[in-house]
Amino acid sequence: QVQLQESGPGLVKPSETLSLTCSVSGGSIRSYYWSWIRQPPGKGLEWIGYIYYSGSTNYNPSLKSRVTISVDTSKNQLSLRLSSVTAADTAVYYCAQATYSYGPNWYFDLWGRGTLVTVSS
Amino acid sequence: DIQMTQSPSSLSASVGDRVTITCRASQSISSYLNWYQQKPGKAPKLLIYAASSLQSGVPSRFSGSGSGTDFTLTISSLQPEDFATYYCQQSYSSPPMYTFGQGTKLEIK
Repeated sequence: QVQLQESGPGLVKPSETLSLTCSVSGGSIRSYYWSWIRQPPGKGLEWIGYIYYSGSTNYNPSLKSRVTISVDTSKNQLSLRLSSVTAADTAVYYCAQATYSYGPNWYFDLWGRGTLVTVSS
Repeated sequence: DIQMTQSPSSLSASVGDRVTITCRASQSISSYLNWYQQKPGKAPKLLIYAASSLQSGVPSRFSGSGSGTDFTLTISSLQPEDFATYYCQQSYSSPPMYTFGQGTKLEIK
């Protein structure tokens, strides 16, 4: 059974770069697409971007200039880097497995537990 | 960008009630619509994909319908474990820009 686990610093200073890792266990990272999604405290969900094991990516246009998602197939991990953070980037960050059905209709059928990142000096 | 609007934003209901949550897209998204359930402190859980397909392991009291701009999630008989926040999500946008509704909080009456 595939499981996802996010990890990284829980506190980041304004203007610095947020870096998170998602470890995929119980399956190969080569089998699916993978996304990062975030949720500010008490608010809704925002898709950040996705990556395929080949390195192909797509990002939310509103974050594109600050986001990099990468994959390390040897470690079965994906990573998120978000630069020049502000308090508005404070959120729970989730990694999720992205699957598509006919269309294609993309959906997120497996999620990590999430990790809270607070941006504060 | 395609905007997703859910109604109501919150809802009070009793165990055994039939509940319907609506999601409206700002433009037609065919059937590229998914529903999630989120409980406090937990990650979202996929319930319905492609507007009406029940995700494996999800109880049959959950159902989805709609196409184009208007979609509904129905819970036929509320159970205590169904009290949660529900989100819709579209995947029609190209290039990809997957957006979620603002959520509907389902509370116990």
